[in-house]
Amino acid sequence: DAKTTQPTSMDCAEGRAANLPCNHSTISGNEYVYWYRQIHSQGPQYIIHGLKNNETNEMASLIITEDRKSSTLILPHATLRDTAVYYCIVRLGRYNTDKLIFGTGTRLQVFP
Amino acid sequence: GAVVSQHPSWVICKSGTSVKIECRSLDFQATTMFWYRQFPKQSLMLMATSNEGSKATYEQGVEKDKFLINHASLTLSTLTVTSAHPEDSSFYICSARTGQGGVYEQYFGPGTRLTVT
Repeated sequence: DAKTTQPTSMDCAEGRAANLPCNHSTISGNEYVYWYRQIHSQGPQYIIHGLKNNETNEMASLIITEDRKSSTLILPHATLRDTAVYYCIVRLGRYNTDKLIFGTGTRLQVFP
Repeated sequence: GAVVSQHPSWVICKSGTSVKIECRSLDFQATTMFWYRQFPKQSLMLMATSNEGSKATYEQGVEKDKFLINHASLTLSTLTVTSAHPEDSSFYICSARTGQGGVYEQYFGPGTRLTVT
């Protein structure tokens, strides 16, 4: 799986949009970009994933650049409960044998 | 959404004893289950992958005789930490994968905190 690079930490004011970047310059054509988050002392929670088109769900939006070498996870209106470590992971996604390997992630702190 | 449960949520045991952790997919059948370990302030580390009815595949550096994995059914996997020692104290998280003929989705349990005294 391709490696990803994320900032170690970010801050965001409550109610504002949180934009979390991820670089995956070695991504291959059939690899997906997945985002998970982990709130303290809990298991990771799936947020969103995409291949090349921008995606949106009830939790977040995912913007993938045209060359697919980077992406941004957007939490449109951050709340205190969004404080967590956010992981950007690249994986094939279409095979049952591929593994979900976690990097160091971005620690997002939402403040009042 | 899909739910994965773990039991117990936390356990304290004495050095030298064995501890079993259960992982269940509650509302779906898991084609594959995964076990991760997480030390404080670190990321999740994949320990092993298991398919129902097959032997688990362990990641490099993970002792298969120490961390016994049994994947008895499509909804249950167990991790047994044998002869536990204080350095085995960690947060253990299981994950279950589902899907067919397309993109597979993976869901995580809430984790089990093991403390070995």
